[in-house]
Amino acid sequence: DAGITQSPRHKVTETGTPVTLRCHQTENHRYMYWYRQDPGHGLRLIHYSYGVKDTDKGEVSDGYSVSRSKTEDFLLTLESATSSQTSVYFCAISPGTGEGEKLFFGSGTQLSVL
Amino acid sequence: SQKIEQNSEALNIQEGKTATLTCNYTNYSPAYLQWYRQDPGRGPVFLLLIRENEKEKRKERLKVTFDTTLKQSLFHITASQPADSATYLCALDEDSSYKLIFGSGTRLLVRP
Repeated sequence: DAGITQSPRHKVTETGTPVTLRCHQTENHRYMYWYRQDPGHGLRLIHYSYGVKDTDKGEVSDGYSVSRSKTEDFLLTLESATSSQTSVYFCAISPGTGEGEKLFFGSGTQLSVL
Repeated sequence: SQKIEQNSEALNIQEGKTATLTCNYTNYSPAYLQWYRQDPGRGPVFLLLIRENEKEKRKERLKVTFDTTLKQSLFHITASQPADSATYLCALDEDSSYKLIFGSGTRLLVRP
């Protein structure tokens, strides 16, 4: 998967607990993204990053925060998980060298909030 | 509101036929549009990109068209094979940014 590792691959947690998902890349790509995928909604952008410490919100950012302290790592945090955040989370990367670049996706993290 | 629409019903076709998938959008002015393939339990994989000034793009058995007047892209797979069975997603940029917005995808089933 283009040098992208998501961890954990599966997680079950309880409502109200904090959760952090990690995306690690070995491609030295500039852009990194977090999407969630739910039946009937497709892929929805949560947050993205255009460089170290540079992040911006996507269409479904409420309840999520992100951090990028190194080029290779992009963390997604659910401060207090809710059942509506049960989903499959995908990290993606792109080089950021020109317009219209394709995204490379990780294998996803299945998160269940009980 | 801004929307990207793909047929939510699965497309079921016979092997050897041409599959045609549709992506319609409203209230976007994309500079480009992309198509991805997603298999169960996997992340999407990039297939093709077409820019606003291009009418058609081809890659092997794949063909994409982009009509900015109709606000529509068509994705064709010719001589389809059972191995082409997957979900196909279209995506476009939001306001010429690096934010890529996806449709919900159409599942394609190719019968042997």
